[in-house]
Amino acid sequence: DIQMTQSPSTLPASVGDRVTITCRASQSISSWLAWYQQKPGKAPKLLIFKASRLENGVPSRFSGSGSGAEYTLTISSLQPDDFATYYCQQYNTYSRWTFGQGTTVEI
Amino acid sequence: EVQLLESGGGLVHPGGSLRLSCAASGFTFRSFAMNWVRQAPGKGLEWVSGVSGSGGNTHYADSVKGRFTISRDSSKSTLRLQMNSLRAEDTALYFCVKALESAMGPDAFDVWGHGTMVTVSP
Repeated sequence: DIQMTQSPSTLPASVGDRVTITCRASQSISSWLAWYQQKPGKAPKLLIFKASRLENGVPSRFSGSGSGAEYTLTISSLQPDDFATYYCQQYNTYSRWTFGQGTTVEI
Repeated sequence: EVQLLESGGGLVHPGGSLRLSCAASGFTFRSFAMNWVRQAPGKGLEWVSGVSGSGGNTHYADSVKGRFTISRDSSKSTLRLQMNSLRAEDTALYFCVKALESAMGPDAFDVWGHGTMVTVSP
């Protein structure tokens, strides 16, 4: 299976900061990558798919980029509602979806 | 409004069985693949199983292959997960998840239920 490694695991940040989370795959995943946001006690929420496409209703301060095996999620100006855990997911290998271990953005 | 509502979780002894259900509404059920994703307490996300829109293609994580069976009933817009030979490591919150765009093939997950908790303990 393709392994997904996120960094950092924890990201201390403040409101207004520009925040970047990196996700590295163990092999090229051809931009078949999604990003999710999860808050405590809630289900994950899709933010980005196909590496850079913003899901409907997601604020434009979120953006995704990357290619091959390395991808990033950027929050241009962190808002109070953005403190959460973020997961990347590869879906390049059909029926072998894998997630990163998560990055918690905290105050 | 698109909704997924899971049920069927609970406490079960090791070696026991449980059947999870997910009632879908607000979209054309047969047009989208469906999946189960789980999250152990305090841990990350793990894809468990998926089924194509037609129900003809099913897939499983190695950790559950041979023990879990996914199925769907398009007449009732219901997804199910039959879990047998349960182990302590199956303890998790199980989410029912809808594929974003397609009935089969690579896809992100755009709609998640609230989850149903499965606890496997003596």
